[in-house]
Amino acid sequence: DIQMTQSPSSLSASVGDRVTITCRASQSISSYLNWYQQKPGKAPKLLIYAASALQSGVPSRFSGSGSGTDFTLTISSLQPEDFATYYCQQTYTIPTWTFGQGTKVEIK
Amino acid sequence: EVQLAESGGGLVQPGGSLRLSCAASGFTFSSYWMEWVRQTPGKGLVWISHINNDGSSSSYADSVKGRFTISRDNAKNTLYLQMNSLRAEDTAVYFCVRANWESFTHFDFWGQGTLVTVSS
Repeated sequence: DIQMTQSPSSLSASVGDRVTITCRASQSISSYLNWYQQKPGKAPKLLIYAASALQSGVPSRFSGSGSGTDFTLTISSLQPEDFATYYCQQTYTIPTWTFGQGTKVEIK
Repeated sequence: EVQLAESGGGLVQPGGSLRLSCAASGFTFSSYWMEWVRQTPGKGLVWISHINNDGSSSSYADSVKGRFTISRDNAKNTLYLQMNSLRAEDTAVYFCVRANWESFTHFDFWGQGTLVTVSS
């Protein structure tokens, strides 16, 4: 099974900060990597798919990069509505999928 | 507008059964893979089951294999999850999810979730 490891598990940042979250796969997954945002009490929301493709309606301050085993989600200028938990997901092993453990972005 | 509405959650005793339903609307249900993902309160997301668009193929996480059964009725635009032999560790919010498989499979729409509590 492919394991997905996110770092850090949590971070504190201020509005306007550039934030980077990393996701590492236990084996190569090409570009089969998605990112989701989840706010408390809400369903997750797709942000990025295929490692770097921005989902329709998602602000351009969100970007994704990487391939193989190492991936990054970047928020170029953190906004108040971006405080949430972020999850990566691999969809390389069809049809079983794996999520990372999550990264909580908190207000500094 | 794509909508996914789960129902059927609730309190059940260990060893009991429950069937979750997910009513889909706003898209051609029979064209999409569908998934169930669960989340234990305060914890992360865990994929638990997949079904292909015509219901001919399914898969499960090891944690639920042999106890849970996913199915769908494309005529009724409804996804199901039959959960048997429930354990305390199955307590979670269960999300119904649409999987867009056309390009680098991704989960593009999620229901709001239904809470299943397994407790005596």
